Amino acid sequence: TQLLEQSPQFLSIQEGENLTVYCNSSSVFSSLQWYRQEPGEGPVLLVTVVTGGEVKKLKRLTFQFGDARKDSSLHITAAQPGDTGLYLCAGAEFTNDYKLSFGAGTTVTVRA
Amino acid sequence: AAGVIQSPRHLIKEKRETATLKCYPIPRHDTVYWYQQGPGQDPQFLISFYEKMQSDKGSIPDRFSAQQFSDYHSELNMSSLELGDSALYFCASSFGNRGPRFEQYFGPGTRLTVT
Repeated sequence: TQLLEQSPQFLSIQEGENLTVYCNSSSVFSSLQWYRQEPGEGPVLLVTVVTGGEVKKLKRLTFQFGDARKDSSLHITAAQPGDTGLYLCAGAEFTNDYKLSFGAGTTVTVRA
Repeated sequence: AAGVIQSPRHLIKEKRETATLKCYPIPRHDTVYWYQQGPGQDPQFLISFYEKMQSDKGSIPDRFSAQQFSDYHSELNMSSLELGDSALYFCASSFGNRGPRFEQYFGPGTRLTVT
């Protein structure tokens, strides 16, 4: 079983629509990262959230870290075809903060 | 900005052969991680090194070994290759290996195909 559960597994939307990807766990994390991966390429770090309740914005992407530091969400506003990719959340637990555990990923497809 | 460099990008080997994958971390990064990613799967952690010492071990087969050298680059050695070893192999690097802000930066990966 995955330490981090991502949902949904697949998401297909029309250009201009909004989407939200969730990352949940029963564990508490000292930090949580979101990555975006294109096919055949390495994951690219998008953001790191550290403080419970923290909200970070990266252009049309909004990342939120839950108050209890057990969950996070990624919201994309007015999605574009260039947002298509595999979105991975990864967290460092407080008890093992040298180790990054990945969620299974959410495959996002934005249709033009 | 300099990124993680991996070589080769593509590698084709036959069963029972050996392969060596190389990783050059971002300058000043002292920690290197190796991951294996199969089709449709998330990256699976294999092994990591901090300051040239093995720091953590994941699901790395006994047929695989790795080390980090004095210049912080790392090599993953894979012997007696099996068809199931075909995957994307990623290296990531970080500055420090713990703490709330430690972040891993990934290389472009090596696609290994075993025939």
